[in-house]
This record gives sequence, C-alpha cells and structure tokens, in this order.
Amino acid sequence: DAGVTQSPTHLIKTRGQQVTLRCSPKSGHDTVSWYQQALGQGPQFIFQYYEEEERQRGNFPDRFSGHQFPNYSSELNVNALLLGDSALYLCASSFLRDSTNYGYTFGSGTRLTVV
Amino acid sequence: AQRVTQPEKLLSVFKGAPVELKCNYSYSGSPELFWYVQYSRQRLQLLLRHISRESIKGFTADLNKGETSFHLKKPFAQEEDSAMYYCALREKGNNDMRFGAGTRLTVKP
Repeated sequence: DAGVTQSPTHLIKTRGQQVTLRCSPKSGHDTVSWYQQALGQGPQFIFQYYEEEERQRGNFPDRFSGHQFPNYSSELNVNALLLGDSALYLCASSFLRDSTNYGYTFGSGTRLTVV
Repeated sequence: AQRVTQPEKLLSVFKGAPVELKCNYSYSGSPELFWYVQYSRQRLQLLLRHISRESIKGFTADLNKGETSFHLKKPFAQEEDSAMYYCALREKGNNDMRFGAGTRLTVKP
C-alpha cells in the first residue's frame, strides 16, 4: 500500500494563475482533508471531503475549492494565485468512522511556489 | 475557538535525558488530542492519541483538562527521537484538526 500519494511534488506558478493539486487516499480510506503549511508553521485546515461533498471548511477564501471523485481521490484547486499562497499543501486521508482512533494519514505534500 | 499552542519552537536535550514537549490548548468542550511527528525527509505521521493512553516509542502524553495541556514526555531521549513534533486538537464530531506550530526536538549524543 503506497499510502497517501500526492502529485505533483513541486510546482511553480505565476501570480494570477490557477493550479490543481491531486491526492489519492490510502486504500480503505474514504475521507480526504487538505492542509496548507507555510514555512515555520503547523498545517492549517483548508477543507475536508467525504462522499464527494465538502463537509467542513477552514478559514480560506473561495479561491480555494476542491472536489472528491467516486474513487475517493481528491483535487484542490486554487484560483487567482497570490504570492502568499506559496506553501506546502498536504493531503490527509482517514476512514470517517475510525478517525478518532487512528487519526489521519498524510501524504508527502506538494510544494507550491508562486512567483 | 480552538487553539493549540506549542510554546517552544526549538528544544535540545542530551541523549538519555528526560524530554517534555509542551502543548496547551484552548477549547471549552471535550477535545480529541493527538501528537504527530515528522522525521527528517519523511511525511507527517501519527505518534499518539489521547484516548488510547498508550506509550509509543517510549513517549506518553497525558491530557490535563484542568491545565488544558497535553504535554508529550519521554524519560530517556534517544538520538532517533530528533524530529519535528506537532500537537493537534479536534473537536469531537468536527473535521477541523488544528495543529500547533510545532517543536523541533534535537537529541544530542
């Protein structure tokens, strides 16, 4: 089991552009959460998807949107990129009914640089 | 609002010394608390969860509701414990897991 896989690993975009990041959850997991981790900070919750719907959202603007597919994989889209969007974007998967017992499984992240 | 504070960004101890990584939280309800660890060039991974009251790699963490703390402790630190440690809190039934800023632990030989 490869665990949580994210692609791409690194990305450089220009201010104003749009970006799509992808995540495949660990086998058996049905829930995907996205986090933004700025340098020197802990991960910040963006949103969580379950059954192809956004269950909860953190304090992020509407420029951040997502999607979950029937196979539980997920995408994070960011429109109108700002320099401040430069960060490591982490995907975490879990099995909804067991997340209290087992927490989240994290991917290695996508490093986004906006220039 | 939920908030997690890890007051020490850096912590350095010698091998064999006791180590305590502090975590304080602000939340009025019943929190679910976790410690995550990130070793060099590895992904973030779950270390401990408060509900299990377990010891993992010699680490333990006790939830103190009176002091709203969930400090991580190990009586004898090892060099392989050197890593970034994050305390995380989630409101029961909520999906927003809040992380602290992290503490970088260095265990010197």
